[in-house]
Amino acid sequence: DTAVSQTPKYLVTQMGNDKSIKCEQNLGHDTMYWYKQDSKKFLKIMFSYNNKELIINETVPNRFSPKSPDKAHLNLHINSLELGDSAVYFCASSQAHRENRFFGSGTRLTVV
Amino acid sequence: GESVGLHLPTLSVQEGDNSIINCAYSNSASDYFIWYKQESGKGPQFIIDIRSNMDKRQGQRVTVLLNKTVKHLSLQIAATQPGDSAVYFCAEKKEGSSNTGKLIFGQGTTLQVKP
Repeated sequence: DTAVSQTPKYLVTQMGNDKSIKCEQNLGHDTMYWYKQDSKKFLKIMFSYNNKELIINETVPNRFSPKSPDKAHLNLHINSLELGDSAVYFCASSQAHRENRFFGSGTRLTVV
Repeated sequence: GESVGLHLPTLSVQEGDNSIINCAYSNSASDYFIWYKQESGKGPQFIIDIRSNMDKRQGQRVTVLLNKTVKHLSLQIAATQPGDSAVYFCAEKKEGSSNTGKLIFGQGTTLQVKP
């Protein structure tokens, strides 16, 4: 009954591959997010979706493409993976009119 | 024990002591602030928040203080316990942006609690 769940938890892949990370929330929230956390623990917003519509798109390479099939899911697809993509990626969600984000437990992506 | 944001990323305290984690935020137009706790291998978890019309807010064993004059935020943890060991982040939201607008996260401070 995890509130925000993302899979896989660990992902090791070679440069140039394409991979996806899935996220689902069962909180009934309208807004979902993807954050990237680097090796120094710095957390940065990548995307946010509200009711399946993109509302924030930070300066992220277009190799990263979020997809929201419904408001409970926000998946992240990454093409042509690069070494610099190695990081922990967090999915999060929030309720309408509330600022607090509920985070998943993260996906550690390692590109070799 | 006390930390000073970006310049002292690790704070080490004795179990039972009070901890103070500091954060210097960047935008004088920010109107909402939030503290998160991130334990190893987990995502950030909400601790406490405060709006810019307040200067203090208390929770269970935690207090957040906001000083808008110097753009400073602090998190005080009373009677620190081993379970408080984690990385603590402050985050700010710009005034006028929607509730789902960007939260800007600080670098984070690692709190280590010595038994």
